Amino acid sequence: EVQLVESGGGLVQPGGSLRLSCATSGFTFSAYWMSWVRQAPGKGLEWVANIKEDGSVKFYVDSVKGRFTISRDSAENSLYLQMNSLRAEDTALYYCARVGGMSTNDYWGQGTLVTVSS
Amino acid sequence: QSALTQPRSVSGSPGQSVTISCTGTSSDVGGYNYVSWYRHHPGKAPKLMIYDVSKRPSGVPDRFSGSKSGNTASLTISGLQAEDEADYYCCSYAGSYPLGVFGTGTKVTVL
Repeated sequence: EVQLVESGGGLVQPGGSLRLSCATSGFTFSAYWMSWVRQAPGKGLEWVANIKEDGSVKFYVDSVKGRFTISRDSAENSLYLQMNSLRAEDTALYYCARVGGMSTNDYWGQGTLVTVSS
Repeated sequence: QSALTQPRSVSGSPGQSVTISCTGTSSDVGGYNYVSWYRHHPGKAPKLMIYDVSKRPSGVPDRFSGSKSGNTASLTISGLQAEDEADYYCCSYAGSYPLGVFGTGTKVTVL
């Protein structure tokens, strides 16, 4: 059974940093692109970042470029999102997802909440 | 990249059918056969219901079907059930843009 479990969310002040983790199991982690998707309160889904199977290619939505870094560790079967210079508008539920096709996430975690507030 | 346009809400009685539209442009929905649909119960993990416009993942009932015409994709839910009450999002590949583009989301209410 494919499982994705996010952790690392919490309350952080504007300008602060947070590192999200996503522990995966039930599939060959190194064979899939992975992604982070977020949902701000009362808003829709927004694709935040992608990372290739071997970590060599990464893409970001414009609003997080230069502040967020997606990474992965195949030995740990884990995905990460390092978030720096956080802003109030980054407040959201962050989901980890497996990319199963062209712009298609076939399995998702339940999310971890990030709140940026003073 | 702009979000795809979906109706804010649709509703139907149990057993009826509802259709959700997802309108984009020739650079996304209209240009590729890579539209997916997700069902999202608040607080839970989104679930893939349709991919590549009209394909159903294993385990998704055939009450769910997808189609596309021009720049608009559609999700139809037949035989509406209480568990179908949720938010639904479309998502499309957009060529040179490297991330998926989501729709604005539609709340489905079962009356």
